Amino acid sequence: QVQLVQSGAEVKKPGASVKVSCKASGYRFTNYNMHWVRQTPGQGLEWMGIINPSGGSPIYAQKFQGRVTMTRDTSTSTIYMELSSLRSEDTAVYYCARRGRSSSWYYFDYWGQGTMVTVSS
Amino acid sequence: DIQMTQSPSSLSASVGDRVTITCRASQPISNFLNWYQQKPGRAPNLLIYAASALQRGVPSRFTGSGSGTDFTLTISNLQPEDFATYYCQQTYSTPPETFGQGTKVEIK
Repeated sequence: QVQLVQSGAEVKKPGASVKVSCKASGYRFTNYNMHWVRQTPGQGLEWMGIINPSGGSPIYAQKFQGRVTMTRDTSTSTIYMELSSLRSEDTAVYYCARRGRSSSWYYFDYWGQGTMVTVSS
Repeated sequence: DIQMTQSPSSLSASVGDRVTITCRASQPISNFLNWYQQKPGRAPNLLIYAASALQRGVPSRFTGSGSGTDFTLTISNLQPEDFATYYCQQTYSTPPETFGQGTKVEIK
């Protein structure tokens, strides 16, 4: 069965960086694009970017340009999201999600369990 | 960027009720609209894609409709496990993927 397993919770100081991993299993890793979405406490869902596990450059939301880096490791079927220059407003749960597709339509059909990142001095 | 606006932001309902949530896009998006359910402490779960197609395993009491700019998610015969927050998402013009702000369905 498809599974996306993310790394554990992190506590970081302002100005630091955090790197979250998302390990995929149960399907061919290179066949599906992957997204990162975050959710700040009590708030909605915010899209951060997309990465193609087969290769090519990731696409980032404008809000995070210059601070976020998404990478992949096909040998371990894992994607990574690194966010730098952390500030308190980055305290959130970070999710990876698989982009599934049916004909012309696509959607996020599988999600990781989420990784809580707390930014506090 | 396409903005997605949901209404209401929250509602109270009883088990057995019929509930309707609305999602409006800032410009036409055909039927490139998904709905997700999220329970506290859990990741979102896909309910409906292409505005009205039910994801495998989702109960038939969930129905989606709409096209263009106006969409609805209807839950018939509300069950205890349906109390959650619901989000719409457009995939017509991306990036960015944009979500509505969410509608929380609470127990009356």
